[in-house]
Amino acid sequence: QKEVEQNSGPLSVPEGAIASLNCTYSDRGSQSFFWYRQYSGKSPELIMSIYSNGDKEDGRFTAQLNKASQYVSLLIRDSQPSDSATYLCAVNSNDYKLSFGAGTTVTVRA
Amino acid sequence: DTEVTQTPKHLVMGMTNKKSLKCEQHMGHRAMYWYKQKAKKPPELMFVYSYEKLSINESVPSRFSPECPNSSLLNLHLHALQPEDSALYLCASSLSAKPDEQYFGPGTRLTVT
Repeated sequence: QKEVEQNSGPLSVPEGAIASLNCTYSDRGSQSFFWYRQYSGKSPELIMSIYSNGDKEDGRFTAQLNKASQYVSLLIRDSQPSDSATYLCAVNSNDYKLSFGAGTTVTVRA
Repeated sequence: DTEVTQTPKHLVMGMTNKKSLKCEQHMGHRAMYWYKQKAKKPPELMFVYSYEKLSINESVPSRFSPECPNSSLLNLHLHALQPEDSALYLCASSLSAKPDEQYFGPGTRLTVT
């Protein structure tokens, strides 16, 4: 059973702080890792993709991947109220399907 | 441009109705997907089309019937749905069906009465 697990939320952070979201996956053959942001009532929006070990930065977002530990994380620096959303971790293995975590809801307090 | 469009945005249908959801992308993507999402749950894969051929059917009931008329269009035909089928239906596309970035459309909010 391929599983993706995310740290349970909700996660509440003050404006300007760093929000840290974690995700573990069970399929060691997984090759591609994605973070989606989903606002309430809207569809998921791809914000980060990462394929190799290490860090990948895009603006205020940093994705970190450690395949040996089967762990992927997302850091949101200088959190803004507009970052309040549910963040979905998604993992893709050889069978062409995305496996999603349950999501972590982030609330940024002004 | 990473836009996937879906119509209609909202749909209310009775259990005896037949309706269709439409999805379109002009990014040259060769893989298209239908997902179903219930409130506070992650998207759940229904179908995958790769190069206009159905490659994955996640044991979806036959009252949902997908169709891919060409590489840019994806339809989902609905017939004799149940109230528990009420959900947000999401279309997505990716460059290929290999592990690749998937881009979602805005979704169709379906209510079955």
